[in-house]
Amino acid sequence: KNQVEQSPQSLIILEGKNCTLQCNYTVSPFSNLRWYKQDTGRGPVSLTIMTFSENTKSNGRYTATLDADTKQSSLHITASQLSDSASYICVVTENRDDKIIFGKGTRLHILP
Amino acid sequence: DGGITQSPKYLFRKEGQNVTLSCEQNLNHDAMYWYRQDPGQGLRLIYYSHIVNDFQKGDIAEGYSVSREKKESFPLTVTSAQKNPTAFYLCASSTARQSYNTEAFFGQGTRLTVV
Repeated sequence: KNQVEQSPQSLIILEGKNCTLQCNYTVSPFSNLRWYKQDTGRGPVSLTIMTFSENTKSNGRYTATLDADTKQSSLHITASQLSDSASYICVVTENRDDKIIFGKGTRLHILP
Repeated sequence: DGGITQSPKYLFRKEGQNVTLSCEQNLNHDAMYWYRQDPGQGLRLIYYSHIVNDFQKGDIAEGYSVSREKKESFPLTVTSAQKNPTAFYLCASSTARQSYNTEAFFGQGTRLTVV
């Protein structure tokens, strides 16, 4: 069964610190993996898209990694800011039927 | 401004009534999607459309209906047959299907509450 599992479920860190969010998936055949940021009560906003051949992609202070062999991805946030408080969602697209599988997200809280 | 717009932002419905959620995009995107988000759950696909006048059921289509008469518009009707309609509804669009590695853009969502 195609699944996307994210950890931790929630995370609290102090402003200025770094953190890493994890995403494990069992989706096959794999097409791409995306990370989204979703503020409370708003729609998700794309951070990165990675295909099978890419193992790292950056977007400002956000760096995503992908290990297609172990089916793991991580999102690293550097020098966190209060505005980083949000849910971060990992999304994997299956290549055969174009199915899109969403993780449940990691809720990140940045404290001043 | 280019983008994808959902309206209304908040919607209240009495039990037994149908209600239609609007989704409009001016990005010239072919593909449009409707998702439902419940607390603590990942987004679930309700319906999607890859081209005008064609749409397909997603994972939780029961109790919902859609139309795609225009490229820009993909309205979702929540019917009285949907047993638990209270949720946050998100519309998204992309230039092509997601397996083509195209970026998806989401609207700001409609929060539907059944009273």
